[in-house]
Amino acid sequence: AQSVAQPEDQVNVAEGNPLTVKCTYSVSGNPYLFWYVQYPNRGLQFLLKYITGDNLVKGSYGFEAEFNKSQTSFHLKKPSALVSDSALYFCAVREPNRDDKIIFGKGTRLHILP
Amino acid sequence: GAGVSQSPSNKVTEKGKDVELRCDPISGHTALYWYRQRLGQGLEFLIYFQGNSAPDKSGLPSDRFSAERTGESVSTLTIQRTQQEDSAVYLCASSLVDLTFNEQFFGPGTRLTVL
Repeated sequence: AQSVAQPEDQVNVAEGNPLTVKCTYSVSGNPYLFWYVQYPNRGLQFLLKYITGDNLVKGSYGFEAEFNKSQTSFHLKKPSALVSDSALYFCAVREPNRDDKIIFGKGTRLHILP
Repeated sequence: GAGVSQSPSNKVTEKGKDVELRCDPISGHTALYWYRQRLGQGLEFLIYFQGNSAPDKSGLPSDRFSAERTGESVSTLTIQRTQQEDSAVYLCASSLVDLTFNEQFFGPGTRLTVL
């Protein structure tokens, strides 16, 4: 069965610095990968996805993620963090050619320090 | 167009009572998911409906939990004999499953508090 891991419960980054939120996955075959964000007191919002093609995927709010097949990773990145990026971030994976179920990681809380 | 809606937005109940949570997915979305999010925790998969296929119930934590979906529309999640550990936000999501595999759209959630 597919699985996804977010090894860090919390990440602290100073405003203006680059940020990385880590995600690794385990699936059979080529995965479909997603990042979602949950701002305080708001619902989950889609950020970006990788299905196929270019390993570097660009998404909303200046975020991007790099698919690395050899390391089975899909880390979320942003070159310059904003205080408003502080939120809970979820990585998710779907195993293709299966029943389309999507599994989420436990989430990483990102704190951007002013 | 309307997004995913859930009702009620908040539900406070007494231990031992049954509750029913409702989800209205985006029209035309064949896939529907229920998740549970306890305070400060991540998303816990509960159940998944896809078209007319048998639902994937592998995430339901106990036989007190059940869910139904009418065709490709409304879904209800029922929790019988609620316990305090059932207190959480219950999230519903829907997606249009096609060859490009679109992302999930989430509802605002139902916050359940069991006293």
